[in-house]
Amino acid sequence: GQNIDQPTEMTATEGAIVQINCTYQTSGFNGLFWYQQHAGEAPTFLSYNVLDGLEEKGRFSSFLSRSKGYSYLLLKELQMKDSASYLCAENAGKSTFGDGTTLTVKP
Amino acid sequence: KAGVTQTPRYLIKTRGQQVTLSCSPISGHRSVSWYQQTPGQGLQFLFEYFSETQRNKGNFPGRFSGRQFSNSRSEMNVSTLELGDSALYLCASSSAPDRTYEQYFGPGTRLTVT
Repeated sequence: GQNIDQPTEMTATEGAIVQINCTYQTSGFNGLFWYQQHAGEAPTFLSYNVLDGLEEKGRFSSFLSRSKGYSYLLLKELQMKDSASYLCAENAGKSTFGDGTTLTVKP
Repeated sequence: KAGVTQTPRYLIKTRGQQVTLSCSPISGHRSVSWYQQTPGQGLQFLFEYFSETQRNKGNFPGRFSGRQFSNSRSEMNVSTLELGDSALYLCASSSAPDRTYEQYFGPGTRLTVT
C-alpha cells in the first residue's frame, strides 16, 4: 500500500518473540492500527495506537512513535495459529493499509 | 450479535458486464467501508459511507460506485468489468466514522472476471 512500509515475510519459532515493524507518512495522521488476516479469511482487528507508547493486549503489544512515523507489533509466546498476515494501517481520514507481513511460525 | 454479512460470497462475471455486491453491517453500526484486496496491490480503500452519504473515496475509477440505504446496508457496483477487477471485495462496518479503527470485516465477495 502507498505510504506504508512493512516487511513482506518473516519466520519465527513457536514460543519465541517476533517484532513486525511498520513505517508510515505522518501527514494527516490520526492513528495507526494492526489487523491479523489468516489465509482465506477477513482481517480481524488487533490494536490501535493514537498516542506514543506501548499498548499491551495479552500476548500482543503495539508501539507507536508519531515523531518517527514508526510502529511495531510485538507477538510473544508464538503459537502455530499466529501464522498469518499482519496488516499495518494508517488512519488519516480514510484507512490506508500496508501490503501486510506474512508471518510463518515453525515448530 | 450477528457479524458483517456480504452477498454473494463468490461471483463469476465476464468482461464488460456489471456487478452489484451487498453488505449488511453489524446491527447498530452506521459506517460502512469497502475495500478491494488483490495479491499484487494488497488491501485498498474504495469508499466509506455514513448515514447514506459518501464520506471518503479511494483512488478508483468512476466504474466503481456505491451507496448506503437508510438501514445502513450498503451496495457497491462495478460497471464495465475488466479482468483486473478480479479480487476479494471486503466490507467493514464500524459504529461511527471517527471510530473507523474498530472496523469489523465481513467474509468478502470473491469476484472473478473472465
